[in-house]
Amino acid sequence: DAKTTQPPSMDCAEGRAANLPCNHSTISGNEYVYWYRQIHSQGPQYIIHGLKNNETNEMASLIITEDRKSSTLILPHATLRDTAVYYCIVHGSSNTGKLIFGQGTTLQVKP
Amino acid sequence: EAGVTQFPSHSVIEKGQTVTLRCDPISGHDNLYWYRRVMGKEIKFLLHFVKESKQDESGMPNNRFLAERTGGTYSTLKVQPAELEDSGVYFCASSRGPPNSPLHFGNGTRLTVT
Repeated sequence: DAKTTQPPSMDCAEGRAANLPCNHSTISGNEYVYWYRQIHSQGPQYIIHGLKNNETNEMASLIITEDRKSSTLILPHATLRDTAVYYCIVHGSSNTGKLIFGQGTTLQVKP
Repeated sequence: EAGVTQFPSHSVIEKGQTVTLRCDPISGHDNLYWYRRVMGKEIKFLLHFVKESKQDESGMPNNRFLAERTGGTYSTLKVQPAELEDSGVYFCASSRGPPNSPLHFGNGTRLTVT
């Protein structure tokens, strides 16, 4: 699976949009981009995933660039409960379930 | 639906003892995974079951670790004998089936070996 690069930390004001970037310049054609987060003392939580089109669900939006070398996770109205470590993971269907977690981005939502 | 449940939530044992961790996946999920995070490190894959069969155990650190999933329902991960470096948080996850299905994680078992 391709390697990802994320900033180690970010701050966001409560109620504002949080935009978390991820670089995955070596992504291959059949690899998806997944986002998970880990809130303190809990297990990782799936947020969203996509292949090449932008995706939106009740939690977040995922914007993938046309060349697929980077993506942005958007939390439209961040709350204090969104404070967590966010992981961007590139994963291909040939490697079922074997996710490679990096260091992630620690998002601190501030009042 | 009920989520992935893990038991115990915490375990403190002495070096050389045996510990067994249990994971109950979401009902109907054929895929079950074990991951762990040791102190200061990233979350690492240990192994993957499809029903009762081990699909990939490439992440198992050594033969002191034994995972089972008899009957294809719940799974156990036994560490025998435990060493200090086994301390960490052990996560279980399950997924429905297709390769790109998202994983649903439990809240983990925090293992401390003293």
